[in-house]
Amino acid sequence: QSALTQPASVSGSPGQSIAISCIGTSSDVGNYYKYVSWYQQHPGKAPKLIVYDVTTRPSGVSTRFSGSKSGNTAYLTISGLQAEDEADYYCCSYTNTDTYVFGTGTKVTVL
Amino acid sequence: EVQLVESGGGLVQPGGSLRLSCAASGFTFSSYWMTWVRQAPGKGLEWVANIKEDGSERYYVDSLKGRFTISRDNAKNSLFLQINSLRAEDTAVYYCTSTNVAAAGLHWGQGTLVTVS
Repeated sequence: QSALTQPASVSGSPGQSIAISCIGTSSDVGNYYKYVSWYQQHPGKAPKLIVYDVTTRPSGVSTRFSGSKSGNTAYLTISGLQAEDEADYYCCSYTNTDTYVFGTGTKVTVL
Repeated sequence: EVQLVESGGGLVQPGGSLRLSCAASGFTFSSYWMTWVRQAPGKGLEWVANIKEDGSERYYVDSLKGRFTISRDNAKNSLFLQINSLRAEDTAVYYCTSTNVAAAGLHWGQGTLVTVS
């Protein structure tokens, strides 16, 4: 159950689009077609679900957040980057042992 | 409104035990899997364990099996995590979440800090 691999940091200017990758294996991201989720965490706060089922946004989450997947890698794209998007982001996948595994986390900086 | 409120954290000596609690409200607790997730200071999220709606199935991260026990009381809308033989590396904020297969953390509590020292 090794953590999924994410880049430590990604940055972009306001209005730009950025993508965060989440690399897993055939035992997790690549095995279960839809069971990938993404979380946003601001400093000192609890995480918040922003994408589930690879591509679905919960009610109230901005349409600027979108998810996708190809093989063993999932992606979170943030379009029209805004200052409030500066936070840590984590992916998470269901695994073939009926457990879950989180990614290593990515710090997004808005320049 | 969904609310998850964790309690029971604190300072404990190595080798000690602790029981964390999570009080749930605003949703049908007995209809959801529930999960514990932890986060060491300055580190990432770590999935710890989850439990089925009726408590009949429980799963744990391999590295913590044997010391951690998840349980629930649907009559009291409460989730628990018993932690034994505490180690310094167990120092973390422990979050309670509601869960479905598509997302380990549908809703999150504010967390409770456990410090082992």
